[in-house]
Amino acid sequence: QVQLHLSGPGLVKPSETLSLTCSVSGDSVTTFYWSWIRQPPGKRPEWIGHIYADGSTDSNPSLRRRLTLSLDTSKNQFSLRLASMTGADTAFYYCARDQKLSSWSQGTLVTVSS
Amino acid sequence: DIVMTQSPDSLGVSLGERATINCKSSRSVLFRPNNKHYLAWYQQKPGQPPRLLIYWASARESGVPDRFSGSGSGTDFTLTISSLQAEDVAVYYCQQYHSSPFTFGPGTKVDIK
Repeated sequence: QVQLHLSGPGLVKPSETLSLTCSVSGDSVTTFYWSWIRQPPGKRPEWIGHIYADGSTDSNPSLRRRLTLSLDTSKNQFSLRLASMTGADTAFYYCARDQKLSSWSQGTLVTVSS
Repeated sequence: DIVMTQSPDSLGVSLGERATINCKSSRSVLFRPNNKHYLAWYQQKPGQPPRLLIYWASARESGVPDRFSGSGSGTDFTLTISSLQAEDVAVYYCQQYHSSPFTFGPGTKVDIK
């Protein structure tokens, strides 16, 4: 059974870059799409983007200018970098498998504050 | 962007009774080459990530109880819980994965009446 483990900071300062890594077990990142989603507390989820096994990406235009998605097949991980963080980026962040989000990590609350 | 709406915002249902949640997309989520609707339903309980219940509008994810069912086509979809159990208290979201950016509905909160 696939498991996704999300790691990264819980606190980021304004204007800094958020870096999150999702480690996958029970499946290979060389198959499927691998997705990122965030959810401000009490609000609906927001799709951030996804990366495919071949390294191609798609992302939400609202974040694209600041977003970098990458894949590390040697470590069976995929990663997100979101630059120029502001308070509007405070949210629970999740990683998930596939476009239909069949398996999710536990959420990490990322707070943007000085 | 495809805008997703849901109704009602919240729903109180007696144990053992039927719960019905509606979802509407601003454009069709049918992909004609494979005749599939790219529409999913998720259940989210407090402090947990969303859990996939239904994909392709009506396919039940492995391990999901058969009291959960999805239906609909084009732009109008329904999630039905045939006999509400206490553990079904949650917020339910629909999501389209037909067109980027993939978008979620605002959620429907289901609790016990």
